[in-house]
Amino acid sequence: DAGITQSPRHKVTETGTPVTLRCHQTENHRYMYWYRQDPGHGLRLIHYSYGVKDTDKGEVSDGYSVSRSKTEDFLLTLESATSSQTSVYFCAIAGNNEQFFGPGTRLTVL
Amino acid sequence: GESVGLHLPTLSVQEGDNSIINCAYSNSASDYFIWYKQESGKGPQFIIDIRSNMDKRQGQRVTVLLNKTVKHLSLQIAATQPGDSAVYFCAESYTGANSKLTFGKGITLSVRP
Repeated sequence: DAGITQSPRHKVTETGTPVTLRCHQTENHRYMYWYRQDPGHGLRLIHYSYGVKDTDKGEVSDGYSVSRSKTEDFLLTLESATSSQTSVYFCAIAGNNEQFFGPGTRLTVL
Repeated sequence: GESVGLHLPTLSVQEGDNSIINCAYSNSASDYFIWYKQESGKGPQFIIDIRSNMDKRQGQRVTVLLNKTVKHLSLQIAATQPGDSAVYFCAESYTGANSKLTFGKGITLSVRP
């Protein structure tokens, strides 16, 4: 999977709790992305990063924040999880003009 | 995972036949297009890409066709195999894969033995 790992792979949490998902890459690529995938919606971009401490919003960024303190790690935080954030979350990295995806994190918010 | 394929259109083909998966993209300024394959429980996997200065590109058993006039992209898979069964997504961007990608909703390809 092009040197991308995500943790945790599965998580169940309760409404109102904070949740942090981690994406780790070993490819030293500059660009990293967080997507969510829901039935019937395809993949939608939440946030992305074009370098350490450089991040920007995607199309569905409300309720999410990100941080990138080093090249290899991109963290996605749900500040106060809601049931509408139940989804599968994918991290991606871009290099050599390809985007490679991680294995995904399945998050359930009860 | 398995829920990705729910609510998506399905293309059913016989093993050994050729498959054609179509995609209409939205932004006339997009200049880079990618096809991804996603198997159950896995992340999307890059198949083939094409830039807007081309109208056809071939890979191993796959061909992508681009018609900019009608904003249409297609993926042709030759001699479809059971392992080709998956959800297929097209994606578009402006200035390449390092930029933000906009994904289509996906099509499920089901290969009959």
